[in-house]
Amino acid sequence: NAGVTQTPKFQVLKTGQSMTLQCAQDMNHNSMYWYRQDPGMGLRLIYYSASEGTTDKGEVPNGYNVSRLNKREFSLRLESAAPSQTSVYFCASSKGGGTRNQPQHFGDGTRLSIL
Amino acid sequence: GENVEQHPSTLSVQEGDSAVIKCTYSDSASNYFPWYKQELGKGPQLIIDIRSNVGEKKDQRIAVTLNKTAKHFSLHITETQPEDSAVYFCAASLGTNAGKSTFGDGTTLTVKP
Repeated sequence: NAGVTQTPKFQVLKTGQSMTLQCAQDMNHNSMYWYRQDPGMGLRLIYYSASEGTTDKGEVPNGYNVSRLNKREFSLRLESAAPSQTSVYFCASSKGGGTRNQPQHFGDGTRLSIL
Repeated sequence: GENVEQHPSTLSVQEGDSAVIKCTYSDSASNYFPWYKQELGKGPQLIIDIRSNVGEKKDQRIAVTLNKTAKHFSLHITETQPEDSAVYFCAASLGTNAGKSTFGDGTTLTVKP
């Protein structure tokens, strides 16, 4: 049981380049999330998806787009990368649904550097 | 929206001592409070959680307490070991369909042998 798988693990981009971070979960979870983690700032929510076919903005959505391709996969796209987007990106999933929240399961992150 | 503050940002203890990390939240409607441990190079992993209808929960050496009136909750680790060294995050969640959480900024715990 792999849990949440993120690819790639590391990436270096030049300013203005685009790329897509991939995330897949095999736990049949309804909800999926993308966070960025910067030193001393904890985890900040970029976008989330409560269920297949729906996506919503989180705390820091500017400069990003997402796609919930199916129940398993949730991708994050940087259309024109900027140095301020240098960060570690985490994907997470949870059962979601109803009013009883469940814990989130995280991938091991993508370390992204933008020069 | 919800705001979660976490203290201290760094904590150093001697092996065998106890460690306490505290969090406060702003939205009284929050009803789920998980704690995550993040080891170097890994994603956060749930270590314990508590719901608003419970005041305390224990799991071996770790415990969490919740004071709904004061809107704060704490993580207690007893008999600390070097492998407890990590970054710990608290979070608070409303009972919404999306299951979103607001995270604290993290506490770096160092346990000295």
